[in-house]
Amino acid sequence: KNEVEQSPQNLTAQEGEFITINCSYSVGISALHWLQQHPGGGIVSLFMLSSGKKKHGRLIATINIQEKHSSLHITASHPRDSAVYICAVQGDFTDKLIFGTGTRLQVFP
Amino acid sequence: GAVVSQHPSWVICKSGTSVKIECRSLDFQATTMFWYRQFPKQSLMLMATSNEGSKATYEQGVEKDKFLINHASLTLSTLTVTSAHPEDSSFYICSARVVEQFFGPGTRLTVL
Repeated sequence: KNEVEQSPQNLTAQEGEFITINCSYSVGISALHWLQQHPGGGIVSLFMLSSGKKKHGRLIATINIQEKHSSLHITASHPRDSAVYICAVQGDFTDKLIFGTGTRLQVFP
Repeated sequence: GAVVSQHPSWVICKSGTSVKIECRSLDFQATTMFWYRQFPKQSLMLMATSNEGSKATYEQGVEKDKFLINHASLTLSTLTVTSAHPEDSSFYICSARVVEQFFGPGTRLTVL
């Protein structure tokens, strides 16, 4: 079993839909990252969380440390949100990230 | 946010040649940089952790003599793929850490 599990693996949506991507992890962490990777390959860091909730534009990330679970929400989804979303956790006392396998999102007009 | 650049963005080379990839933090100093590789439709795999002024720490299974890492300054780390072979063809990504990790745009290496 992977230390970081994401669901779903693939997700399609119509423009305007509310989207949720889930991430569960099994190790102790100091922080959790949500990353976005576009088809060209470049990676953008969306959020770094250690507790609670963060919001940036249409993106919301939450984390529940006790349940070892995080969610990434996209409100009013748009075709330009189509990308792979990656959850990565930073373990206690380390800089290293452990990556989930990613969720491939396609938003259709 | 902080910007990390990589150069080149893509490179094609012949088998047996060496290729150098640069990773620069443009507006901040990074004591630690990370090198990852990513195969198609797979997650990122950490290759090594690079600290300025010291030897890189390689992950298990990564050949340090094949993937030479130099972190000569607080804003530059280089990855040299020596004697490249077709199986080294991959997408190489660096990241630099100050508090958060900021990722470079990646370098696509194709070895013919």
